[in-house]
Amino acid sequence: DTAVSQTPKYLVTQMGNDKSIKCEQNLGHDTMYWYKQDSKKFLKIMFSYNNKELIINETVPNRFSPKSPDKAHLNLHINSLELGDSAVYFCASSQDEVPEQYFGPGTRLTVT
Amino acid sequence: GENVEQHPSTLSVQEGDSAVIKCTYSDSASNYFPWYKQELGKRPQLIIDIRSNVGEKKDQRIAVTLNKTAKHFSLHITETQPEDSAVYFCAASIRGTSYGKLTFGQGTILTVHP
Repeated sequence: DTAVSQTPKYLVTQMGNDKSIKCEQNLGHDTMYWYKQDSKKFLKIMFSYNNKELIINETVPNRFSPKSPDKAHLNLHINSLELGDSAVYFCASSQDEVPEQYFGPGTRLTVT
Repeated sequence: GENVEQHPSTLSVQEGDSAVIKCTYSDSASNYFPWYKQELGKRPQLIIDIRSNVGEKKDQRIAVTLNKTAKHFSLHITETQPEDSAVYFCAASIRGTSYGKLTFGQGTILTVHP
């Protein structure tokens, strides 16, 4: 069984478009995260949700909007895509009071 | 906020040798330090972690040490094998606050030559 899954795995789109990435975890975790990994492999947190409530919101452009319909799902919607948004986006999850985070397979976003 | 520095950025060893990767952190309140291994095109996977009440932890060929006073921690891999080749990331967080926000180091590309 896949613990943390993301769709799509690859996403190629043009500048100015709007796209969404979906994440689901079946671990029963309470907290979910979005990380961005740039071309230099640097991993940086973007958002964190705990039980559908936004907990962490790093300095991310307003074009990025996370949505958590329930605690097993965390989606990322990106408006007006820019070339600099090209990266691999990872979803992760963890249980309250247990710090281990488990990552999804990643979504490689390419903006042309 | 927390800042994590990781060295070296690349590390090349012969099979069977040991590899050591070092990280320093800035926030003395950090109390959880995981290490992730990321193979090419794959997700980061947790390989070992250490909490601030422990100075050393070992799991087969990998070990992590923590020096809270100096605010640095290290990953040690013994008897390296080609399948150990990957990017390794250290991270730091404060358990119990910010729901586990991880601050990552810049990564170390480890290459093990057969």
